[in-house]
Amino acid sequence: DAGVIQSPRHEVTEMGQEVTLRCKPISGHNSLFWYRQTMMRGLELLIYFNNNVPIDDSGMPEDRFSAKMPNASFSTLKIQPSEPRDSAVYFCASSLYESHEQFFGPGTRLTVL
Amino acid sequence: GIQVEQSPPDLILQEGANSTLRCNFSDSVNNLQWFHQNPWGQLINLFYIPSGTKQNGRLSATTVATERYSLLYISSSQTTDSGVYFCAVGPYNTNAGKSTFGDGTTLTVKP
Repeated sequence: DAGVIQSPRHEVTEMGQEVTLRCKPISGHNSLFWYRQTMMRGLELLIYFNNNVPIDDSGMPEDRFSAKMPNASFSTLKIQPSEPRDSAVYFCASSLYESHEQFFGPGTRLTVL
Repeated sequence: GIQVEQSPPDLILQEGANSTLRCNFSDSVNNLQWFHQNPWGQLINLFYIPSGTKQNGRLSATTVATERYSLLYISSSQTTDSGVYFCAVGPYNTNAGKSTFGDGTTLTVKP
């Protein structure tokens, strides 16, 4: 079975541009998580969904960040406008709500110049 | 929120040595995972272990939920074990699977 799929794997953009990160969870999983990893802050949870519904977005840094999950097999994390301090690795993870065991995608390395 | 503390922060071993990594948490948990982040940045599941003991090859883990800690044992370490080991826990008062990560233990295994 395919694991969690993220795209793109690398993204380099200029300050002010819109960035969209994509995630396809493991088939059958009903919880999806977006994390950000930086040297300064470690791994931090941005937002998570259960059955496509956002449950907790308290980790989203500010209004420039938004996330959607239009169906069970796709989610996006959008940054508009992007800033250099958004440079990080963004991970998507999925799990079965009932088991809580999370599986991570390979991450998207974002660089904002 | 729940606090997660991992120790030691850094560990350097000679190939073949054994090690124990510790994860302390501040509240009751309903989920706990150990991950290995390899030098390429991939986060690999090692154990899902909210309580009890599990073993997988050279690795084993024990969680004592009543005393709020978990241990990861690595035996006969190999250079491929190098990387960062994270503990992630979810508090018992939520059923949503939300996890908080510790700061990790950086392991370097020298040949």
